[in-house]
Amino acid sequence: DTEVTQTPKHLVMGMTNKKSLKCEQHMGHRAMYWYKQKAKKPPELMFVYSYEKLSINESVPSRFSPECPNSSLLNLHLHALQPEDSALYLCASSQGSAGMVSGANVLTFGAGSRLTVL
Amino acid sequence: RKEVEQDPGPFNVPEGATVAFNCTYSNSASQSFFWYRQDCRKEPKLLMSVYSSGNEDGRFTAQLNRASQYISLLIRDSKLSDSATYLCVVRYNTNAGKSTFGDGTTLTVKP
Repeated sequence: DTEVTQTPKHLVMGMTNKKSLKCEQHMGHRAMYWYKQKAKKPPELMFVYSYEKLSINESVPSRFSPECPNSSLLNLHLHALQPEDSALYLCASSQGSAGMVSGANVLTFGAGSRLTVL
Repeated sequence: RKEVEQDPGPFNVPEGATVAFNCTYSNSASQSFFWYRQDCRKEPKLLMSVYSSGNEDGRFTAQLNRASQYISLLIRDSKLSDSATYLCVVRYNTNAGKSTFGDGTTLTVKP
């Protein structure tokens, strides 16, 4: 069983809907990430939170809005998405971020939320 | 040029074969290196970290050559269950929290 839990596993939404993806970890990790993965492509980084502060936004459109309520939770709020946003959205966590030894940088992924935008 | 480049594959090998994957990275400031495995429609999972001295875990051996900016993964005695996509991942400590993934190499082990 994965130690990073994502909900929902599947989500279908219209272009005018507002929905949220949720991610939770209880490993005491201080860095959390959102990745987007399209079929037959590698994961593509969207956002990084380090110690509950947004440290990286990879020029993601504003229709994706991340939120880190506390060190264990990470949300991704979705609004006015486009069909091309359909993908697997992966949450990950690691012990820390920059400047730490290799082991602390290992990413643990959740099982993902598979999003379909109609 | 991509930051992390992998053999495109696919690799189709018989059970028991030895197969090697290569990965090159462009940023010499890279500090941490990993191989992840991703099964179809599943999340990536850490296979092994890669250390400068090279490291081995059972049938899997990872090597790092910093001078050539090159990482490799060797799988000996391939099993059917090794069929997956293998992702090379490089992390730069100069850019907080960013890990860069290669495009992945798909391995199919056949009976």
